[in-house]
Amino acid sequence: DAGVTQSPTHLIKTRGQHVTLRCSPISGHKSVSWYQQVLGQGPQFIFQYYEKEERGRGNFPDRFSARQFPNYSSELNVNALLLGDSALYLCASSPPRGGGNEQFFGPGTRLTVL
Amino acid sequence: AQSVTQPDIHITVSEGASLELRCNYSYGATPYLFWYVQSPGQGLQLLLKYFSGDTLVQGIKGFEAEFKRSQSSFNLRKPSVHWSDAAEYFCAVGPEYGNKLVFGAGTILRVKS
Repeated sequence: DAGVTQSPTHLIKTRGQHVTLRCSPISGHKSVSWYQQVLGQGPQFIFQYYEKEERGRGNFPDRFSARQFPNYSSELNVNALLLGDSALYLCASSPPRGGGNEQFFGPGTRLTVL
Repeated sequence: AQSVTQPDIHITVSEGASLELRCNYSYGATPYLFWYVQSPGQGLQLLLKYFSGDTLVQGIKGFEAEFKRSQSSFNLRKPSVHWSDAAEYFCAVGPEYGNKLVFGAGTILRVKS
């Protein structure tokens, strides 16, 4: 089975621009979460979506938004990019309730803001 | 507040030597604990997890971890390290349901031959 996929792999943007990152969960997984991993730090939780509804939000500004589609894929949008948004953005999907809180991570999208 | 502390930023061990990576957590409810490994430029791979039951859990690649509630610790161990184990290791804690994992800052493992 295919794992979690993310696109693009790398992205370079300039300050003030907008970016959209995409994630496809493992087949059968209905929950998708997004994390930001700044160089030298552990991942930080941004959003969780389950059945197309937001179920959790981390301590990130409103410039960050996300959505989940009927096929359970997800997009993370970041507006008005800042230099500090440069990071690896990780998407993770989880099996339905009862399968344990195990998250399967994708390879990430490396965002560089110049 | 929920938090995970990994006291060691870097650890260097000789190939074939034993390994222990430390993890301490602060969590208000029953913790669900995880260890992930990340190779350079890669995503996170789950090594093992603890939900309940036996406090010594076995994972992939010969890793194990022991949950000690009294010490709020979940240390990762491996009896004999291989050069391919060089990577960054993250401890994480989360709720039973819901995906908001809280990660530690990571420990970079270097293996010398």
